[in-house]
Amino acid sequence: KQEVTQIPAALSVPEGENLVLNCSFTDSAIYNLQWFRQDPGKGLTSLLLIQSSQREQTSGRLNASLDKSSGRSTLYIAASQPGDSATYLCAVILAYNFNKFYFGSGTKLNVKP
Amino acid sequence: NAGVTQTPKFQVLKTGQSMTLQCAQDMNHNSMYWYRQDPGMGLRLIYYSASEGTTDKGEVPNGYNVSRLNKREFSLRLESAAPSQTSVYFCASSGLTAEQFFGPGTRLTVL
Repeated sequence: KQEVTQIPAALSVPEGENLVLNCSFTDSAIYNLQWFRQDPGKGLTSLLLIQSSQREQTSGRLNASLDKSSGRSTLYIAASQPGDSATYLCAVILAYNFNKFYFGSGTKLNVKP
Repeated sequence: NAGVTQTPKFQVLKTGQSMTLQCAQDMNHNSMYWYRQDPGMGLRLIYYSASEGTTDKGEVPNGYNVSRLNKREFSLRLESAAPSQTSVYFCASSGLTAEQFFGPGTRLTVL
């Protein structure tokens, strides 16, 4: 069974810092990995999607990398801002089962002004 | 482009009452999902529909029923609500790339 782990569960940093959020998964036979952002009381917003054949994806100040062989992905946030404060979740879908997404429990990020 | 929409946004029910949560997507996606999110439990899949006309159980289907009305719409019904069904419910959809898009959620309280 696929297990997705996100460490740390919570992170507090001063504004302007570069930071890395981690996501690890146990079954490397993934089709893709997706990073989401969730603000309090809101739904999940898709940030980046990395297909299994890709090593990284970038969007603005965000860069996500994927290492299937080690079962890891990182989300790099450059020059963090208070508006980045949210919970970040990763999810994977297996190449042999498109019907289920496996979610991590998230990292709650607080960027202090 | 509305993406995934859900109604209602909030609902309070008494134990034993029934209700239907509505979800619609305008991205021409084949797959649609219903999740519940509870503190400390993360997101749990209730039901999914891989294509119009098909539905399948997820991790926590007990107490729920679903209908895939057409390609756009996927509804979730609580026949006899229980306090354990107090939760935030999210609908999501995905297409050929398997990228998931979520609706804004329905916050349900069962008294």
